[in-house]
Amino acid sequence: NAGVTQTPKFQVLKTGQSMTLQCAQDMNHEYMSWYRQDPGMGLRLIHYSVGAGITDQGEVPNGYNVSRSTTEDFPLRLLSAAPSQTSVYFCASSFQGGANYGYTFGSGTRLTVV
Amino acid sequence: AQSVTQLDSQVPVFEEAPVELRCNYSSSVSVYLFWYVQYPNQGLQLLLKYLSGSTLVKGINGFEAEFNKSQTSFHLRKPSVHISDTAEYFCAVRGSGGSYIPTFGRGTSLIVHP
Repeated sequence: NAGVTQTPKFQVLKTGQSMTLQCAQDMNHEYMSWYRQDPGMGLRLIHYSVGAGITDQGEVPNGYNVSRSTTEDFPLRLLSAAPSQTSVYFCASSFQGGANYGYTFGSGTRLTVV
Repeated sequence: AQSVTQLDSQVPVFEEAPVELRCNYSSSVSVYLFWYVQYPNQGLQLLLKYLSGSTLVKGINGFEAEFNKSQTSFHLRKPSVHISDTAEYFCAVRGSGGSYIPTFGRGTSLIVHP
């Protein structure tokens, strides 16, 4: 059971560089989302998707893009990295309905922007 | 709109002592409630959830939580903690209607001392 797989686990970027954080799930979950976790701030929603071809903004979307071309994959793109984007990023997925409403989280990507 | 307040940012406790981590929520609709645990350098794992029915729910690792609708609370308890319970704990709420987006609290750091 792979669950939710995030790559890379660690990344250092220079200001202005772009990169893509990968997220893949093998549970056929309709719902996928990206969060960032900062000390004392808890989890803040960046973008989410309720199915292939459908994405929407969360609480802190600026500086990030997403797409959902397949049910399995939900990559997060940083267009021009800034030091304020230094954070730990988590991808999560869940079924939309049914008895199980809990999320499955990936193990995270620790990003440092210098 | 919904919100979650975790009243303690840090809870220190000695091994084998009982512990309660507090969570209060606000919502204009019926809710589903969750507790997640995050061990150091890992993603979040679902600890337990309240969807309906009995207000006392039991989760993994000996944790339980009680849903109190009148006090809008969902406190997490364990009668005897272990060193291995040292982790960050997040309370989350989502509406029982069409929105699949949960709101997370800022987290409570449980520190178990020998």
